[in-house]
Amino acid sequence: AQTVTQSQPEMSVQEAETVTLSCTYDTSESDYYLFWYKQPPSRQMILVIRQEAYKQQNATENRFSVNFQKAAKSFSLKISDSQLGDAAMYFCAYVYSNYQLIWGAGTKLIIKP
Amino acid sequence: DGGITQSPKYLFRKEGQNVTLSCEQNLNHDAMYWYRQDPGQGLRLIYYSQIVNDFQKGDIAEGYSVSREKKESFPLTVTSAQKNPTAFYLCASRGGRLAEQFFGPGTRLTVL
Repeated sequence: AQTVTQSQPEMSVQEAETVTLSCTYDTSESDYYLFWYKQPPSRQMILVIRQEAYKQQNATENRFSVNFQKAAKSFSLKISDSQLGDAAMYFCAYVYSNYQLIWGAGTKLIIKP
Repeated sequence: DGGITQSPKYLFRKEGQNVTLSCEQNLNHDAMYWYRQDPGQGLRLIYYSQIVNDFQKGDIAEGYSVSREKKESFPLTVTSAQKNPTAFYLCASRGGRLAEQFFGPGTRLTVL
């Protein structure tokens, strides 16, 4: 069965510093997608970044980048130059051919001013 | 503006009552999803629909029902059979061969 594990229930970082959130997943599929979603206090779920498994290049979106290690089944999110608006719950998610998202339990990110 | 709307934002229900949560999208997406989120937890799939007039149960469908009569609309009914309905409900949609889902703002349901 496919599973997604986020081992850090909570992380904190000083404003302007860099933080990395961890995610591991378990699958026997070779073709799939991975996502990081952000849920701020408003509770709106926002897509941060996506990664296709067949692409070796790590995805980047402005200050957000991933470290995708397919063999290790690891998909970490790096946030550079952390801002107060980055404070949120971050969820890692996986999907394969059936398009059903498998979710991690989330990591709460606290930004210290 | 294209997007997903959910209404109401807050909903209060007395025990024993059925309530219906609205979800509308104008993204022309074929697939739509309903999730439940409890405090401090991730999302759990209630129902999903890949096309009009067709839907499937997710992981926690008991006590819920849906319909998909129009492409744009996917309402969720929380029935009196749902033992613990107080939660945050999120609707999402997905278009074509895109893998990512896009979410509405959610409805907070509280049973009094």
